[in-house]
Amino acid sequence: AQTVTQSQPEMSVQEAETVTLSCTYDTSESDYYLFWYKQPPSRQMILVIRQEAYKQQNATENRFSVNFQKAAKSFSLKISDSQLGDAAMYFCAYRSTGNQFYFGTGTSLTVIP
Amino acid sequence: EAGVTQFPSHSVIEKGQTVTLRCDPISGHDNLYWYRRVMGKEIKFLLHFVKESKQDESGMPNNRFLAERTGGTYSTLKVQPAELEDSGVYFCASSQDVNPYEQYFGPGTRLTVT
Repeated sequence: AQTVTQSQPEMSVQEAETVTLSCTYDTSESDYYLFWYKQPPSRQMILVIRQEAYKQQNATENRFSVNFQKAAKSFSLKISDSQLGDAAMYFCAYRSTGNQFYFGTGTSLTVIP
Repeated sequence: EAGVTQFPSHSVIEKGQTVTLRCDPISGHDNLYWYRRVMGKEIKFLLHFVKESKQDESGMPNNRFLAERTGGTYSTLKVQPAELEDSGVYFCASSQDVNPYEQYFGPGTRLTVT
């Protein structure tokens, strides 16, 4: 079965600095999707970034980028120029070929003014 | 466009009582998913509807949980009778196309069983 591990329960970053959230996963599949979701204190979870496993190029969305290492089964999220609005719980997720989502336990990010 | 909505936002019930959670997906989304997050743990898949049919209910913990989606619109998740370990946040998500697009999540319902 697929598992997703987020080893950092809490992280903090100074405003305008860069922070990296780690995520590793375990799978025997070759084709899958990986996601980072953000859940602000208001609780609505929103998609931050998506990566297709067959793509070698790392996905980027403005200040958010990923470091996808397929062989190492690692999928970290880098947030550049951190802003106060980035404070949230971040979930790493794996979507299997069977269309099931597997989530990590989340990383709570604090942005320090 | 309205997002996924869930009701209630918070429910506190006693062990042995019944609770029904509701999810309204984004209009036109055939796929509806239920997830649960127990405090401090990962978000776990419960089940997946395609329209009114249960596509995958492998994540349902036991027969105290009953999900329905009559007419392929909104869905309900009933817990009867509730146990202490059922406490957590129940998320609903919907998607228009199963492959490969992302799911849109609702704000969740926080269920507390005392």
